[in-house]
Amino acid sequence: GIQVEQSPPDLILQEGANSTLRCNFSDSVNNLQWFHQNPWGQLINLFYIPSGTKQNGRLSATTVATERYSLLYISSSQTTDSGVYFCAVEGFANDYKLSFGAGTTVTVRA
Amino acid sequence: DVKVTQSSRYLVKRTGEKVFLECVQDMDHENMFWYRQDPGLGLRLIYFSYDVKMKEKGDIPEGYSVSREKKERFSLILESASTNQTSMYLCASGGASRAAGEQYFGPGTRLTVT
Repeated sequence: GIQVEQSPPDLILQEGANSTLRCNFSDSVNNLQWFHQNPWGQLINLFYIPSGTKQNGRLSATTVATERYSLLYISSSQTTDSGVYFCAVEGFANDYKLSFGAGTTVTVRA
Repeated sequence: DVKVTQSSRYLVKRTGEKVFLECVQDMDHENMFWYRQDPGLGLRLIYFSYDVKMKEKGDIPEGYSVSREKKERFSLILESASTNQTSMYLCASGGASRAAGEQYFGPGTRLTVT
């Protein structure tokens, strides 16, 4: 199956700082999603972005499908941004299956 | 807004009990999924369903079964709960045809088997 690697594994930020999370994947994909898992365990959809760039408030994401990576940008971080960020992909031959990365744990300190 | 609900946030069961976890979605999605999440192992797909009464095994189906009698509802069944099934269970819905599509997750059920 497709291998998904996220970096860094952990990130500690001061409130107001900017950061970039990276997701590398081992094969072509037709689906890529970014999720934020909140402290209560729920996975919140951030972006559905198999290619291109999207922005939502202080968050934005870019996927360069031909180079097999995606980036998630957090600007002016807030304590509520803390949690685990997951990247998940579906390959063209995977039929329904999302492969998840191990996640990046972000801690934003006030 | 897409809404996926799960029957319980926390559940404690005894070894050997039959356990039902229910998931309901309100967006008329064709596909529904059950995952479990464990520290160090990430999210793993247990079963999924692409239509009513249709199901397919995911990566770790052993010890589980599923039921989808209505499009909006997908149930995960632990036939005889064991301690190694203590985990966070996450339901998702989304996508159409033969594709995972954009998936939306429920709040999760933390199951403890004693």
